[in-house]
Amino acid sequence: SQQGEEDPQALSIQEGENATMNCSYKTSINNLQWYRQNSGRGLVHLILIRSNEREKHSGRLRVTLDTSKKSSSLLITASRAADTASYFCATDGSSNTGKLIFGQGTTLQVKP
Amino acid sequence: DAGVIQSPRHEVTEMGQEVTLRCKPISGHNSLFWYRQTMMRGLELLIYFNNNVPIDDSGMPEDRFSAKMPNASFSTLKIQPSEPRDSAVYFCASSFGGAGGNTIYFGEGSWLTVV
Repeated sequence: SQQGEEDPQALSIQEGENATMNCSYKTSINNLQWYRQNSGRGLVHLILIRSNEREKHSGRLRVTLDTSKKSSSLLITASRAADTASYFCATDGSSNTGKLIFGQGTTLQVKP
Repeated sequence: DAGVIQSPRHEVTEMGQEVTLRCKPISGHNSLFWYRQTMMRGLELLIYFNNNVPIDDSGMPEDRFSAKMPNASFSTLKIQPSEPRDSAVYFCASSFGGAGGNTIYFGEGSWLTVV
């Protein structure tokens, strides 16, 4: 079963706008990660946030984590057409099994 | 570094045939993962190796699926016999120290079509 669930499933915005994607998960976690997948390609790691962190930035990316609500959000600011991709959250679970379970993903389309 | 290398990139096979997917992880990584991606089920973890030993194979769908890691630089995922519902993209990924607190690196995937 999927640990994370992204919302919305699909998002279409204009270039320059901000894109926000949300992820909810079911069990306690140690870490949460976000990955990006371009069409026909493998997944690429974007950012990792630990359970004791509330917010993290990387370039135009901002990730928040609310462990009380078991949710995370990924904000992409000033979006570009090249940001068009699917975005996945992934969690490890609190048992530290060493494996990542991915959500269903949000498909983002940025129109030029 | 060449990244995670998977072969073949694309395979079309007939139902009942044996399929072998191959993976070379990033040198120095000690964890290896096989994932399957379909539209219906998303990304599913099939099996996870640590130091060449299978740690969790609970995601392997049936006995028709088997995976091996004979050494630190090579892994195979075998489907025998293959069925049309096995059609999917199969990703191999690797990391150092397990995926929980570390980045995992994905290959480009093996696109399998069973007709």
